[in-house]
Amino acid sequence: SAVISQKPSRDICQRGTSLTIQCQVDSQVTMMFWYRQQPGQSLTLIATANQGSEATYESGFVIDKFPISRPNLTFSTLTVSNMSPEDSSIYLCSTQLSTDTQYFGPGTRLTVL
Amino acid sequence: AQKITQTQPGMFVQEKEAVTLDCTYDTSDQSYGLFWYKQPSSGEMIFLIYQGSYDEQNATEGRYSLNFQKARKSANLVISASQLGDSAMYFCAMSPTGGFKTIFGAGTRLFVKA
Repeated sequence: SAVISQKPSRDICQRGTSLTIQCQVDSQVTMMFWYRQQPGQSLTLIATANQGSEATYESGFVIDKFPISRPNLTFSTLTVSNMSPEDSSIYLCSTQLSTDTQYFGPGTRLTVL
Repeated sequence: AQKITQTQPGMFVQEKEAVTLDCTYDTSDQSYGLFWYKQPSSGEMIFLIYQGSYDEQNATEGRYSLNFQKARKSANLVISASQLGDSAMYFCAMSPTGGFKTIFGAGTRLFVKA
């Protein structure tokens, strides 16, 4: 199994500012994923982060708004830039050790005022 | 295109009874995996059970079992002997084998009554 931690667990931010969310995995993994869960909604994949290459973004998500870093095989960051109230969500990082196991971090609950 | 459908926005079950949460899916992939996750109010996503598309037997994990009917493209979650702590949001998800990209259904909120 994989243990995934995220920082911060929650934050309240002002409109127009940026927040960087950190994700740490207790083992080396090839791919890490970032998801967004808007209030009352399901999870939507933002991007896939591979070590040593640029992240791959899903339709509707752009690098300028959600820059991602992946400096090594156990760590990744997601930045939510120039925030607006519509960015209020739970942000979750995830990794898949094999085809039948996908683990999630505890999530970062973001509120933008 | 891949799609997961959960048609039950909310379900009620009496404590100690069994409950079935419905999930249907659509995919053109021949090989894929189906997952169920539990999300309590804390927001964390807890992995419950996995079923591979070529698995001949239905998956079971403790009180959780997955009723997999491939021809009907359904992967219903059965929770036996419901407990108050089972009250949560439940998501069905699918990933192409080797593809590592998972899509999620809209979720079903389960309420367990004492």
